[in-house]
Amino acid sequence: QQQVKQSPQSLIVQKGGISIINCAYENTAFDYFPWYQQFPGKGPALLIAIRPDVSEKKEGRFTISFNKSAKQFSLHIMDSQPGDSATYFCAASTDTDKLIFGTGTRLQVFP
Amino acid sequence: DTEVTQTPKHLVMGMTNKKSLKCEQHMGHRAMYWYKQKAKKPPELMFVYSYEKLSINESVPSRFSPECPNSSLLNLHLHALQPEDSALYLCASSQGTGVLQETQYFGPGTRLLVL
Repeated sequence: QQQVKQSPQSLIVQKGGISIINCAYENTAFDYFPWYQQFPGKGPALLIAIRPDVSEKKEGRFTISFNKSAKQFSLHIMDSQPGDSATYFCAASTDTDKLIFGTGTRLQVFP
Repeated sequence: DTEVTQTPKHLVMGMTNKKSLKCEQHMGHRAMYWYKQKAKKPPELMFVYSYEKLSINESVPSRFSPECPNSSLLNLHLHALQPEDSALYLCASSQGTGVLQETQYFGPGTRLLVL
């Protein structure tokens, strides 16, 4: 019940396209859903986060869509750029427990 | 300044060695974390310090020994490690005092190889 399932494992997108990464969870107590971006040789960096009282959050080209009833959330990267090539981790937590990370998605954006 | 620094960047050690990893932040954060990350896997939480006190230990083997000398520094002492302990060790910090939903800022990590 503590798992966060993430798909796809890898994603190849052409420059200018939309990248979509999906995550699903079981624990209805989760109430914080961040996305982290990790470049090779670097630590993860918080990209965007959402709480379940909203269904969508947008920051620049990055949007989180949240479906509370389906227990799913997704990251959309609009106008994907080669510089977006990285590994993306979704995560979830309650206010008293650790972050549970998804398994990661390796995104490659080709020019 | 949202930087977490870690030293060394790379470390090679034998199974009988004793070494330490260091982490530093100057953001005034009161929670600091150690994570272990294997290749192509997500980070796994090891320890959490809140106000310089150990608040979470994720059943980590005793060959890993954390230390928080002050609010800006976090060490991870390593002794008698096994080859399977080879990984990227990440330090993170957050403003929150143990509320784990605060934004965590990660350092670049120390890549450890145990021979």
